[in-house]
Amino acid sequence: AQTVTQSQPEMSVQEAETVTLSCTYDTSESDYYLFWYKQPPSRQMILVIRQEAYKQQNATENRFSVNFQKAAKSFSLKISDSQLGDAAMYFCAYPLGGSQGNLIFGKGTKLSVKP
Amino acid sequence: GAGVSQTPSNKVTEKGKYVELRCDPISGHTALYWYRQSLGQGPEFLIYFQGTGAADDSGLPNDRFFAVRPEGSVSTLKIQRTERGDSAVYLCASSQGTSAYNEQFFGPGTRLTVL
Repeated sequence: AQTVTQSQPEMSVQEAETVTLSCTYDTSESDYYLFWYKQPPSRQMILVIRQEAYKQQNATENRFSVNFQKAAKSFSLKISDSQLGDAAMYFCAYPLGGSQGNLIFGKGTKLSVKP
Repeated sequence: GAGVSQTPSNKVTEKGKYVELRCDPISGHTALYWYRQSLGQGPEFLIYFQGTGAADDSGLPNDRFFAVRPEGSVSTLKIQRTERGDSAVYLCASSQGTSAYNEQFFGPGTRLTVL
C-alpha cells in the first residue's frame, strides 16, 4: 500500500530558530513528485514546497528547504528563521499515480512557534 | 474569483438527511478534486474530475456519495442518507491539469456536522 508517514504529531520551535519536520513515504513509482502543504486554522491548504524525484538537488523556497533521500524514501522539511506565522499543521503528500492525479497525505505535524 | 471557493462554510444536518456541498474552482482550471479530512487526519481523496467527467472516483466510500461537474466548472458533492461518520471537513482543490506539475489550489473547505 502506498503510504505517507509523519512520525511527529507535534513540534515546537522558538521564533527565529530552525526546525525540521520528518516524512517517510512508500511508493513503487520511479518518477514522482513530493509536496509539503501548510494548513493554518483557516483550513485552507497552501503549497509550501515541492520536489521532483528525478532531481537530485534539494528544493528550496526562501526559508523553506527539503532534505530528499530517495533511497531511504525520506522527505523532511526544514524551516529556517521560524516566524509566528509559520504556526500551522504541515502535511507531507505525493500523487497516487506518481506524477499525476490525487494526492495521498500524511497525518500531519502541528507546529507551534514560541515568541 | 481569485481562488477556490466552497459553500457553505459550515453545514449542520441530521442523520438521514441529504446534503449538497458546492465547489467553485479557479477559472480555467480543468482538474477538480474532492478530499475529506476527518479530525486529526490528513485529507483523504474522494474523487477527481478532468473537465466534466470523473477521472477517478475510487475514493468515494460508498454509493451514498456522488459528485457532478456538468459544465466543467462548478462541482457539487452530494451525500444521501447522511450518517454521523460523515462528519468531516470536505475540501475541494483545482488545478490547470492532472499532472502533479500543476499545483493544486485548495478551497477553505466545508465543515459538515451530522447530528
